[in-house]
Amino acid sequence: AQSVAQPEDQVNVAEGNPLTVKCTYSVSGNPYLFWYVQYPNRGLQFLLKYITGDNLVKGSYGFEAEFNKSQTSFHLKKPSALVSDSALYFCAVRDILGGADGLTFGKGTHLIIQP
Amino acid sequence: DTGVSQNPRHKITKRGQNVTFRCDPISEHNRLYWYRQTLGQGPEFLTYFQNEAQLEKSRLLSDRFSAERPKGSFSTLEIQRTEQGDSAMYLCASSSTVTGANVLTFGAGSRLTVL
Repeated sequence: AQSVAQPEDQVNVAEGNPLTVKCTYSVSGNPYLFWYVQYPNRGLQFLLKYITGDNLVKGSYGFEAEFNKSQTSFHLKKPSALVSDSALYFCAVRDILGGADGLTFGKGTHLIIQP
Repeated sequence: DTGVSQNPRHKITKRGQNVTFRCDPISEHNRLYWYRQTLGQGPEFLTYFQNEAQLEKSRLLSDRFSAERPKGSFSTLEIQRTEQGDSAMYLCASSSTVTGANVLTFGAGSRLTVL
């Protein structure tokens, strides 16, 4: 079975400061990992993914994430937060050996960027 | 292309009634997914299609739920004999096995309220 944990319901960051949104995962084999963002009344939008290769992946809007296999983590980061980054962020995983094509999502983390 | 379209956006129904949601994916996408999202939770995988074939269905999915994609284009999700616990946002997503099966494009969702 595959699962994702986002330990923080909410993260508050001052504008201009670096931000981190945490995600840990559990899979039987090797993971595909994703971050999606959800704005109010909008569909989830893809930010970035890790499939294979470099552990640091870069995505949309200046976001990046680091895959850490030993810690089974895939934390989302951005060097300098913008007020417009305020949204609900979801981490998702797919076990490439598990045979399931559906993504498993975490509960989400509300990111609030304060001016 | 206008993205993934879902209708209706909101549906209020009485317990015991049947409801149907429609999803029109991005035209060149051959995969179509249905997810359910309740307040404070991440999207929960329900089922997915590749072209017209339903390839996977969540074991947690009640027999009251059925989905179709008869011509490999749009899809419908029907819930029979609705219960209050079915109240949720129903999300549709699509992807392409040619350009990236793992990157899902989500619609804005159809919100169901069962009274």
